Amino acid sequence: QQQVKQSPQSLIVQKGGISIINCAYENTAFDYFPWYQQFPGKGPALLIAIRPDVSEKKEGRFTISFNKSAKQFSLHIMDSQPGDSATYFCAATASGTYKYIFGTGTRLKVLA
Amino acid sequence: SQTIHQWPATLVQPVGSPLSLECTVEGTSNPNLYWYRQAAGRGLQLLFYSVGIGQISSEVPQNLSASRPQDRQFILSSKKLLLSDSGFYLCAWGGLFNEQFFGPGTRLTVL
Repeated sequence: QQQVKQSPQSLIVQKGGISIINCAYENTAFDYFPWYQQFPGKGPALLIAIRPDVSEKKEGRFTISFNKSAKQFSLHIMDSQPGDSATYFCAATASGTYKYIFGTGTRLKVLA
Repeated sequence: SQTIHQWPATLVQPVGSPLSLECTVEGTSNPNLYWYRQAAGRGLQLLFYSVGIGQISSEVPQNLSASRPQDRQFILSSKKLLLSDSGFYLCAWGGLFNEQFFGPGTRLTVL
């Protein structure tokens, strides 16, 4: 029940295309869902996050879609660029627990 | 603004040697602090977290330990390193609204 399942494991997208990464969770107590971007040899950087009171959040080319009933959330990268090539992690946490449950990561490669 | 520092950036140590990795946070007070380990090409494994000075919670039994001697300082230690301790060690601090912010990491190679 504590798992966050992330898919796909890897993704190749053409420049200008849409990258979509999905995560699913079981624990209905989770109330904060962040996405992280990690470049090789660097620490993960918080990209965008959502709470379950909204179904979508957009920041620039990055959008989180959230489906509370299905217990799923996804990251959409519009107009994908080669500079977006990185590993993306989803996570989930419940208020007061201090701990994140991370997905296993998706390695995105955007072809020029 | 808040900044998180980790050092050293890279470290090569022989098996059986001790370890001390340091993490400091600037620009915030009484943050939650976290140590994670990331194996090559893998996900993030939570090792320890701390909600205050001297308060450490361990997530994974192992030969590592953590200490928080000051509000914004978090130290990861080992008395005797194992080959399996190799990895990318990440420190993170927790914000007011559940967010976590990661440091640049320390690449540890145990030979």
